[in-house]
Amino acid sequence: TQLLEQSPQFLSIQEGENLTVYCNSSSVFSSLQWYRQEPGEGPVLLVTVVTGGEVKKLKRLTFQFGDARKDSSLHITAAQPGDTGLYLCAGAYGSGYALNFGKGTSLLVTP
Amino acid sequence: DVKVTQSSRYLVKRTGEKVFLECVQDMDHENMFWYRQDPGLGLRLIYFSYDVKMKEKGDIPEGYSVSREKKERFSLILESASTNQTSMYLCASRGQGSKYEQFFGPGTRLTVL
Repeated sequence: TQLLEQSPQFLSIQEGENLTVYCNSSSVFSSLQWYRQEPGEGPVLLVTVVTGGEVKKLKRLTFQFGDARKDSSLHITAAQPGDTGLYLCAGAYGSGYALNFGKGTSLLVTP
Repeated sequence: DVKVTQSSRYLVKRTGEKVFLECVQDMDHENMFWYRQDPGLGLRLIYFSYDVKMKEKGDIPEGYSVSREKKERFSLILESASTNQTSMYLCASRGQGSKYEQFFGPGTRLTVL
């Protein structure tokens, strides 16, 4: 199993602030996904990135895949309380069937 | 939209009981997965299946078995539940050409007393 590290583990911010969450691996990803999970629910897919250097935007969320495809970041602009949740990155390596998940970043946005 | 459903949201069982967790997906996906999620440990893969009657061990298969008799259904079985199997269990499915995007069910919170 490949090790996939997320940072920070916890983040508590005020509404309107910006934040960035990081996901790193020592190995090259075939593709990488970001998920958001709310308490008591399953993770929901936000985005998939495949190409090194790729940037994708989803409203106030910006996802970036590193040029070497070993790291990714999620940036949230002007965070809102509705952004509160657990953010998980998950990477696929080679042609394997399964994903490896990071332990997640727990985000709390207070009004 | 892909829909993955799990048989129970909450389940309480006693040590030594046999426990069945069922997962059904409605998108004709070939691949299905069972994870458990624990605080500080993240999601860990228990078993996955890439076709009917086919199964592969994940990272933590000990104490679990699975069954996939039909394409849409993937069952996780705890032969003799133990307290260390208290956890959130998540089922997921993925189509063959979907670049590894997995779709998750709502989870089953299992407590073993």
